[in-house]
Amino acid sequence: DAGVIQSPRHEVTEMGQEVTLRCKPISGHNSLFWYRQTMMRGLELLIYFNNNVPIDDSGMPEDRFSAKMPNASFSTLKIQPSEPRDSAVYFCASSPRVLNTEAFFGQGTRLTVV
Amino acid sequence: EDQVTQSPEALRLQEGESSSLNCSYTVSGLRGLFWYRQDPGKGPEFLFTLYSAGEEKEKERLKATLTKKESFLHITAPKPEDSATYLCAVQARGTYKYIFGTGTRLKVLA
Repeated sequence: DAGVIQSPRHEVTEMGQEVTLRCKPISGHNSLFWYRQTMMRGLELLIYFNNNVPIDDSGMPEDRFSAKMPNASFSTLKIQPSEPRDSAVYFCASSPRVLNTEAFFGQGTRLTVV
Repeated sequence: EDQVTQSPEALRLQEGESSSLNCSYTVSGLRGLFWYRQDPGKGPEFLFTLYSAGEEKEKERLKATLTKKESFLHITAPKPEDSATYLCAVQARGTYKYIFGTGTRLKVLA
Protein backbone atom coordinates (compact mmCIF):
# COMPACT_ATOMS: atom_id res chain seq x y z
CA ASP A 1 0.00 0.00 0.00
CA ALA A 2 1.30 3.48 -0.87
CA GLY A 3 0.14 4.97 2.41
CA VAL A 4 -1.53 8.34 2.80
CA ILE A 5 -0.61 10.57 -0.11
CA GLN A 6 -0.56 14.36 0.19
CA SER A 7 0.07 17.00 -2.43
CA PRO A 8 1.79 19.29 -2.88
CA ARG A 9 4.74 18.60 -0.57
CA HIS A 10 5.64 22.27 -0.48
CA GLU A 11 3.56 25.35 -1.21
CA VAL A 12 4.68 28.95 -1.16
CA THR A 13 2.00 31.54 -1.73
CA GLU A 14 1.37 35.20 -1.23
CA MET A 15 -0.90 36.52 1.46
CA GLY A 16 -4.47 36.73 0.25
CA GLN A 17 -4.20 33.88 -2.22
CA GLU A 18 -6.25 30.70 -2.09
CA VAL A 19 -4.45 27.52 -1.14
CA THR A 20 -5.74 23.97 -1.64
CA LEU A 21 -4.10 20.98 -0.02
CA ARG A 22 -4.96 17.47 -1.17
CA CYS A 23 -5.06 14.08 0.48
CA LYS A 24 -5.62 10.51 -0.64
CA PRO A 25 -6.21 8.24 2.38
CA ILE A 26 -5.30 4.58 2.59
CA SER A 27 -7.83 2.46 0.73
CA GLY A 28 -10.40 0.95 3.08
CA HIS A 29 -9.86 3.47 5.86
CA ASN A 30 -13.07 5.19 6.86
CA SER A 31 -11.69 7.90 9.13
CA LEU A 32 -9.70 10.90 7.93
CA PHE A 33 -8.05 13.65 9.93
CA TRP A 34 -6.44 16.95 9.01
CA TYR A 35 -3.76 18.21 11.41
CA ARG A 36 -1.60 21.31 11.51
CA GLN A 37 1.89 21.21 13.06
CA THR A 38 3.88 24.18 14.30
CA MET A 39 6.84 24.43 16.63
CA MET A 40 4.82 26.41 19.15
CA ARG A 41 1.63 24.34 19.27
CA GLY A 42 2.65 20.93 18.01
CA LEU A 43 0.04 18.82 16.23
CA GLU A 44 -3.44 20.32 16.29
CA LEU A 45 -6.50 18.54 14.96
CA LEU A 46 -8.37 20.71 12.47
CA ILE A 47 -11.19 18.46 11.28
CA TYR A 48 -12.26 14.84 11.32
CA PHE A 49 -14.30 12.89 8.75
CA ASN A 50 -15.96 9.55 9.23
CA ASN A 51 -17.30 7.78 6.14
CA ASN A 52 -16.76 11.00 4.15
CA VAL A 53 -18.92 13.03 6.54
CA PRO A 54 -17.39 15.88 8.58
CA ILE A 55 -17.96 14.99 12.21
CA ASP A 56 -16.18 17.77 14.03
CA ASP A 57 -14.59 20.89 12.60
CA SER A 58 -14.18 22.71 15.90
CA GLY A 59 -10.43 22.80 15.38
CA MET A 60 -10.68 24.79 12.18
CA PRO A 61 -9.21 28.12 13.22
CA GLU A 62 -11.38 30.45 11.17
CA ASP A 63 -13.95 30.61 8.42
CA ARG A 64 -11.06 31.03 6.02
CA PHE A 65 -10.46 27.30 6.42
CA SER A 66 -12.71 24.72 4.81
CA ALA A 67 -12.41 21.00 4.14
CA LYS A 68 -14.25 18.57 1.93
CA MET A 69 -14.30 14.85 1.35
CA PRO A 70 -16.29 14.21 -1.83
CA ASN A 71 -15.52 10.48 -1.81
CA ALA A 72 -13.66 7.86 0.19
CA SER A 73 -10.41 8.36 -1.67
CA PHE A 74 -9.99 12.12 -1.70
CA SER A 75 -10.08 15.10 0.64
CA THR A 76 -9.12 18.75 0.36
CA LEU A 77 -8.26 21.47 2.83
CA LYS A 78 -8.69 24.99 1.49
CA ILE A 79 -7.51 28.26 2.94
CA GLN A 80 -9.01 31.42 1.44
CA PRO A 81 -7.63 34.01 1.87
CA SER A 82 -4.30 32.79 3.22
CA GLU A 83 -2.35 34.73 5.86
CA PRO A 84 1.29 34.50 7.03
CA ARG A 85 0.17 32.95 10.35
CA ASP A 86 -1.21 29.99 8.41
CA SER A 87 2.37 28.95 7.63
CA ALA A 88 2.81 25.46 9.04
CA VAL A 89 3.03 21.82 8.05
CA TYR A 90 -0.37 20.32 7.33
CA PHE A 91 -0.81 16.59 7.75
CA CYS A 92 -3.56 14.30 6.61
CA ALA A 93 -4.04 11.00 8.45
CA SER A 94 -6.40 8.07 8.05
CA SER A 95 -7.39 5.15 10.23
CA PRO A 96 -9.40 1.99 9.57
CA ARG A 97 -11.74 2.52 12.49
CA VAL A 98 -12.82 5.44 14.61
CA LEU A 99 -11.60 4.20 17.95
CA ASN A 100 -8.78 2.20 19.44
CA THR A 101 -6.66 2.25 16.33
CA GLU A 102 -3.64 4.21 15.33
CA ALA A 103 -3.77 6.88 12.66
CA PHE A 104 -1.47 6.67 9.63
CA PHE A 105 -0.01 9.97 8.53
CA GLY A 106 0.98 11.34 5.15
CA GLN A 107 4.25 13.12 4.51
CA GLY A 108 2.66 16.51 5.02
CA THR A 109 2.46 19.76 3.07
CA ARG A 110 4.76 22.54 4.17
CA LEU A 111 2.87 25.79 3.58
CA THR A 112 4.62 29.13 3.56
CA VAL A 113 2.54 32.27 3.19
CA VAL A 114 4.60 35.38 2.46
CA GLU B 1 -9.54 19.47 29.80
CA ASP B 2 -7.71 16.56 28.20
CA GLN B 3 -4.00 17.24 28.09
CA VAL B 4 -0.71 15.56 27.18
CA THR B 5 2.68 16.76 28.40
CA GLN B 6 5.96 15.28 27.24
CA SER B 7 9.36 15.61 28.86
CA PRO B 8 12.10 16.38 28.32
CA GLU B 9 11.66 18.63 25.30
CA ALA B 10 15.06 17.56 24.00
CA LEU B 11 17.48 14.83 24.92
CA ARG B 12 21.03 14.12 23.78
CA LEU B 13 22.46 10.66 24.40
CA GLN B 14 25.68 8.93 23.58
CA GLU B 15 25.32 5.77 21.55
CA GLY B 16 24.56 2.95 23.98
CA GLU B 17 23.38 5.27 26.76
CA SER B 18 19.91 4.09 27.78
CA SER B 19 17.23 6.54 28.89
CA SER B 20 13.48 7.13 29.14
CA LEU B 21 11.04 9.62 27.69
CA ASN B 22 7.99 10.63 29.67
CA CYS B 23 4.40 11.29 28.59
CA SER B 24 2.03 12.53 31.28
CA TYR B 25 -1.63 12.71 30.46
CA THR B 26 -4.89 13.97 31.90
CA VAL B 27 -8.01 12.58 30.29
CA SER B 28 -11.53 11.93 31.47
CA GLY B 29 -11.08 8.26 30.63
CA LEU B 30 -8.30 6.75 28.59
CA ARG B 31 -9.26 4.75 25.55
CA GLY B 32 -5.74 4.41 24.18
CA LEU B 33 -2.26 5.92 24.33
CA PHE B 34 -0.16 6.01 21.17
CA TRP B 35 3.54 6.53 20.57
CA TYR B 36 4.82 7.85 17.25
CA ARG B 37 8.24 8.58 15.81
CA GLN B 38 8.70 11.57 13.52
CA ASP B 39 11.76 12.12 11.37
CA PRO B 40 12.52 15.59 9.94
CA GLY B 41 10.39 16.39 6.93
CA LYS B 42 8.17 13.35 7.39
CA GLY B 43 4.87 12.47 8.95
CA PRO B 44 4.59 10.72 12.31
CA GLU B 45 5.14 6.97 12.10
CA PHE B 46 3.19 4.71 14.44
CA LEU B 47 5.14 2.75 17.06
CA PHE B 48 2.86 1.45 19.84
CA THR B 49 -0.63 1.50 21.27
CA LEU B 50 -1.25 0.93 24.99
CA TYR B 51 -4.71 0.51 26.42
CA SER B 52 -4.53 -0.17 30.15
CA ALA B 53 -2.28 0.46 33.13
CA GLY B 54 0.42 -2.16 33.45
CA GLU B 55 0.57 -2.87 29.76
CA GLU B 56 3.98 -2.99 28.07
CA LYS B 57 5.05 -3.30 24.44
CA GLU B 58 8.46 -3.70 22.86
CA LYS B 59 9.99 -3.16 19.46
CA GLU B 60 13.71 -3.56 18.95
CA ARG B 61 15.40 -1.11 21.36
CA LEU B 62 12.12 0.55 22.37
CA LYS B 63 9.82 -0.42 25.20
CA ALA B 64 6.64 1.46 26.10
CA THR B 65 4.93 1.22 29.46
CA LEU B 66 1.72 2.69 30.84
CA THR B 67 0.40 3.73 34.24
CA LYS B 68 -2.80 5.54 35.13
CA LYS B 69 -1.11 8.92 34.80
CA GLU B 70 1.83 8.51 32.47
CA SER B 71 3.64 6.48 29.90
CA PHE B 72 7.33 5.93 29.43
CA LEU B 73 9.24 5.14 26.28
CA HIS B 74 12.42 3.36 27.32
CA ILE B 75 15.28 3.34 24.85
CA THR B 76 17.90 0.68 25.49
CA ALA B 77 21.38 1.05 24.02
CA PRO B 78 20.26 3.61 21.44
CA LYS B 79 21.92 4.03 18.08
CA PRO B 80 22.26 7.20 15.97
CA GLU B 81 19.41 6.01 13.74
CA ASP B 82 17.09 6.29 16.74
CA SER B 83 17.45 10.07 16.54
CA ALA B 84 14.00 11.54 15.90
CA THR B 85 11.15 13.33 17.60
CA TYR B 86 8.98 10.98 19.64
CA LEU B 87 5.34 11.96 19.98
CA CYS B 88 2.77 10.71 22.45
CA ALA B 89 -0.98 10.92 21.83
CA VAL B 90 -4.07 9.92 23.79
CA GLN B 91 -7.58 9.11 22.75
CA ALA B 92 -10.18 9.65 25.47
CA ARG B 93 -13.36 7.68 25.95
CA GLY B 94 -16.30 9.17 24.16
CA THR B 95 -14.17 10.94 21.58
CA TYR B 96 -12.36 10.11 18.40
CA LYS B 97 -9.74 12.81 18.81
CA TYR B 98 -6.05 12.03 19.15
CA ILE B 99 -4.53 14.67 21.45
CA PHE B 100 -0.81 14.98 20.87
CA GLY B 101 1.98 16.17 23.10
CA THR B 102 4.63 18.48 21.68
CA GLY B 103 7.18 15.68 21.54
CA THR B 104 10.70 14.89 22.70
CA ARG B 105 13.54 15.56 20.25
CA LEU B 106 16.06 12.79 20.69
CA LYS B 107 19.60 13.02 19.37
CA VAL B 108 21.89 10.00 19.69
CA LEU B 109 25.55 10.74 19.13
CA ALA B 110 27.94 8.18 17.69
